Parts: sequence; structure tokens; C-alpha cells
Amino acid sequence: DVKVTQSSRYLVKRTGEKVFLECVQDMDHENMFWYRQDPGLGLRLIYFSYDVKMKEKGDIPEGYSVSREKKERFSLILESASTNQTSMYLCASSMPVQGAYGTEAFFGQGTRLTVV
Amino acid sequence: RKEVEQDPGPFNVPEGATVAFNCTYSNSASQSFFWYRQDCRKEPKLLMSVYSSGNEDGRFTAQLNRASQYISLLIRDSKLSDSATYLCVVENQAGTALIFGKGTTLSVSS
Repeated sequence: DVKVTQSSRYLVKRTGEKVFLECVQDMDHENMFWYRQDPGLGLRLIYFSYDVKMKEKGDIPEGYSVSREKKERFSLILESASTNQTSMYLCASSMPVQGAYGTEAFFGQGTRLTVV
Repeated sequence: RKEVEQDPGPFNVPEGATVAFNCTYSNSASQSFFWYRQDCRKEPKLLMSVYSSGNEDGRFTAQLNRASQYISLLIRDSKLSDSATYLCVVENQAGTALIFGKGTTLSVSS
């Protein structure tokens, strides 16, 4: 059974703290993604990675960074947490999208981060 | 045009109804299209891929119109368990990531 695991379901952090969100997948997938999901805004892509040590900015990378030192692990870092980063964060992984059929993305259960 | 736009919800239908969701996308070079389903407080999961020729999976039918850059999902004989948010998903311009629509919420009542 495929699995994407996020380290925490719920997290409360203070403004200005450095926050690490961890994600691990056991499917040997090359692609990994971080999204945030907010009411009325849907899922928005923050960063993604298509290989170890490779990263690409998504639509809303400001205030975030990522790290992918190993294929199975993709970390999202909030350098200095702010209240507008309170959100649901979802990690996903997939094989590379190829041709007309693409491949399925598998999501972790999400981390609900509250910055106070 | 936004990258992926969906019908605004919510859709409230009785059991047994047929309901259709529409989605438009801006990237004419996109090759891959999907519908995902997200239950309340759960992560999104793949419902079905959308193929150029259209495809069906039980009560669900997906259609793609490349000329109009339009994707649809038809659900026949709605069940209570179909209540969820349905997300239209399109490959990004570089072909490296998936872009999600904001989702359409379906509520099926008895």
C-alpha cells in the first residue's frame, strides 16, 4: 500500500519561529510536492522537486524554502513563521508526468499549521 | 484566464440525480488531466484520469475537449457517499507538476 507520511497532523508555532514540515514517501517516487490549502483558494503549489537536491518554485514560494537530501524525504521550511502562513499543508509524490496519461499523485494526510 | 477554473459550488442534489461539473484550463500544451476527490478533512485522492477520447468508470464519466480547453465530470445516479469536493487537475506548462482547481463541493441528500 502506497504511503506518504507527514510528520505532524497539527502544529502550533509562534510568529518568527523557524518551522520544519517533514514528508516521507515509500514509493520510490521521483517527484515530490508541497501545497497549501486555504478556504476559497484551493490547493496552491509552493515548491516541488523532481530529483534529489533539485527544487523548483511553485506559484507561492515566498516565505518558504525546501530541502531534498534523500529521494524519499522532502522538507518544507518556514524561515520565519508569520500568521498568514496559518494553513493546511499537503505533501504529495508521484512518478514523472509523461505523455497523455500522466501519473497519480499520492498525498499525505496533511499538517494543519497555526501560527500565533 | 486562470490556470484551472471550476464551477463554483456548492451543488446540492438528491440521491439518484445526475450532476455535471465543468472545468476550463489555460495551458493549451497540457497533456494530462485528472479529477481528484477530497472528503472533508481528508487528503485529495485520484478519482479518474481524463483521456482524449473520454472515459467512464461506473457511474462516472470524464470528457476532454482540447479545442475548448474544457474538462467535465458527469456523475449518474448520485449516492450519499458521493458527497465531497471534486478537484479538476491539469499538468503545468513545464509538465513537471499538477495544478489544482479550487474544487466544487457536492452534497447529496436523501
